Amino acid sequence: DGGITQSPKYLFRKEGQNVTLSCEQNLNHDAMYWYRQDPGQGLRLIYYSQIVNDFQKGDIAEGYSVSREKKESFPLTVTSAQKNPTAFYLCASSIYDQPQHFGDGTRLSIL
Amino acid sequence: AQSVTQLGSHVSVSEGALVLLRCNYSSSVPPYLFWYVQYPNQGLQLLLKYTSAATLVKGINGFEAEFKKSETSFHLTKPSAHMSDAAEYFCAVSVGKAAGNKLTFGGGTRVLVKP
Repeated sequence: DGGITQSPKYLFRKEGQNVTLSCEQNLNHDAMYWYRQDPGQGLRLIYYSQIVNDFQKGDIAEGYSVSREKKESFPLTVTSAQKNPTAFYLCASSIYDQPQHFGDGTRLSIL
Repeated sequence: AQSVTQLGSHVSVSEGALVLLRCNYSSSVPPYLFWYVQYPNQGLQLLLKYTSAATLVKGINGFEAEFKKSETSFHLTKPSAHMSDAAEYFCAVSVGKAAGNKLTFGGGTRVLVKP
């Protein structure tokens, strides 16, 4: 079945460490997105990509980086510059006339 | 810029009672509107979408929503709540010319269903 796979489901980061969250889709969608979810704040857009080798900052891009080398993959790196990384991270994908489809998320915590 | 407001971060309903979740949006162009549901530690699942066709939209699990342009609202309803409806619900508006473009989300409404 087609879908979005996020891994790992739980991730722990030490102070000063970069961590990378994986997002892979086999839906043949052109666009991919990363959101951060905090309690009571809904979802906030971190980065998005509408085509391979191109991506744009969302509303809260500081402290994060992404790459889009393949259509299927859109990894998110949480850098040490992100001072409050504890959150639930959701990856989504879409095609032009269809709503976004979401993965099951990665929960990142600080050790 | 588009924005979405969900009135009430928590709603408590009795099993069998009406579920009403409120969503108001602001948009400078005709919007695409969505309701998503999230169960604990899971991603978001699409309940229904409005894409400028019928103003009353029916979705999965017995939910429906009505688009009211004059009120800039897209409230979600279900006539009879079931225990399995306990979840968090998000209203979202699409930025751009197509349903698959960037989404702006409301803050979410958590629904508790009492037996």
